[in-house]
Amino acid sequence: DSGVTQTPKHLITATGQRVTLRCSPRSGDLSVYWYQQSLDQGLQFLIQYYNGEERAKGNILERFSAQQFPDLHSELNLSSLELGDSALYFCASSGQQGADTEAFFGQGTRLTVV
Amino acid sequence: SQQGEEDPQALSIQEGENATMNCSYKTSINNLQWYRQNSGRGLVHLILIRSNEREKHSGRLRVTLDTSKKSSSLLITASRAADTASYFCATDEDMRFGAGTRLTVKP
Repeated sequence: DSGVTQTPKHLITATGQRVTLRCSPRSGDLSVYWYQQSLDQGLQFLIQYYNGEERAKGNILERFSAQQFPDLHSELNLSSLELGDSALYFCASSGQQGADTEAFFGQGTRLTVV
Repeated sequence: SQQGEEDPQALSIQEGENATMNCSYKTSINNLQWYRQNSGRGLVHLILIRSNEREKHSGRLRVTLDTSKKSSSLLITASRAADTASYFCATDEDMRFGAGTRLTVKP
């Protein structure tokens, strides 16, 4: 158990809909990262938050948005869903910025858009 | 673009053999990390090597770091079927991953 909790584990929704994925980081971790992994592909970095502030942005579509709340949990919102958005979405958390800390990954949310 | 780039993309070996995979990165770093992913699961941290270290061991894992070449290698000795997974590297400066190395260990 990594200590990172992602909910829901599975999500099936129709094209055009909007969903929210939730991530609770490990206790005390300030950074949260979001990744998208399509079938048999590598991890695409979407966005990073550090202590509530956006720290880095990757290949995140305009239809996607994220935020980190004061209690450090994070949500990834995906809207106007398309079939190609079907993927595993992972979040990871790590400790203080710049410290020698590893990242801990959740088990992912498997999103299926039909 | 991502910082860590792993190669080869795929590696297939027999149980008991050693597996070596490489990682290249672009900018100065404080540390570099290796992760493993079993199919469909979250990544699991394997080992972290700091920029002032050249080599580090953890069980059957050996990691080297060459900051002059901006590269790292991960060696898995005496591989087992359970080592079958994808392996990724990332740096502290940029937690972006490449496509990974898909290792298959045949029993």
